[in-house]
Amino acid sequence: AQTVTQSQPEMSVQEAETVTLSCTYDTSESDYYLFWYKQPPSRQMILVIRQEAYKQQNATENRFSVNFQKAAKSFSLKISDSQLGDAAMYFCAYRYSGAGSYQLTFGKGTKLSVIP
Amino acid sequence: SAVISQKPSRDICQRGTSLTIQCQVDSQVTMMFWYRQQPGQSLTLIATANQGSEATYESGFVIDKFPISRPNLTFSTLTVSNLSPEDSSIYLCSVGVNSQETQYFGPGTRLLVL
Repeated sequence: AQTVTQSQPEMSVQEAETVTLSCTYDTSESDYYLFWYKQPPSRQMILVIRQEAYKQQNATENRFSVNFQKAAKSFSLKISDSQLGDAAMYFCAYRYSGAGSYQLTFGKGTKLSVIP
Repeated sequence: SAVISQKPSRDICQRGTSLTIQCQVDSQVTMMFWYRQQPGQSLTLIATANQGSEATYESGFVIDKFPISRPNLTFSTLTVSNLSPEDSSIYLCSVGVNSQETQYFGPGTRLLVL
């Protein structure tokens, strides 16, 4: 069974600084997707970034980028120029890309605080 | 992406009653998913709902407790039956887009059972 581990229950960052959230996963599959979702206090789950395992290039979305290390099964999220609105729970998630497999497996989350 | 709404946004229910949660999407989607997020926890998939077929439930979740309807390609309901305080959670629906590669989530329904 796939597992996703987020080892940092809480993190904090100064506004305008950079922070990296860690995520490791365990799978025997070679083709899969990895995601970072953000859940602010409003509880809406918002997709931050997506990475396909077959792509060597790290995904980037504006201030958000990932460091995807397939061999190490590591998928960290870097937030640059942190803003107050980035404060939220961040969940790392895995999904096998095989046909008929749609279940997302989530980590336990990292609570990010942004200090003004 | 997809725009997803849920009703109600929150509710307080008495033990033994049921709550039906609605999920509406602004476009036709093949698959819809229902998740539970217990207090301070991550998300757990309850079931996958395809239009025109029975929902597929994950281990630990049964149809009698969580009946699901999927009458068309833009709408689904989840009922949480015979409520107990342990059912107090956030319930989220999501839809798969881009050949189900990515799931987008609704705003969630916060349920408190007294």
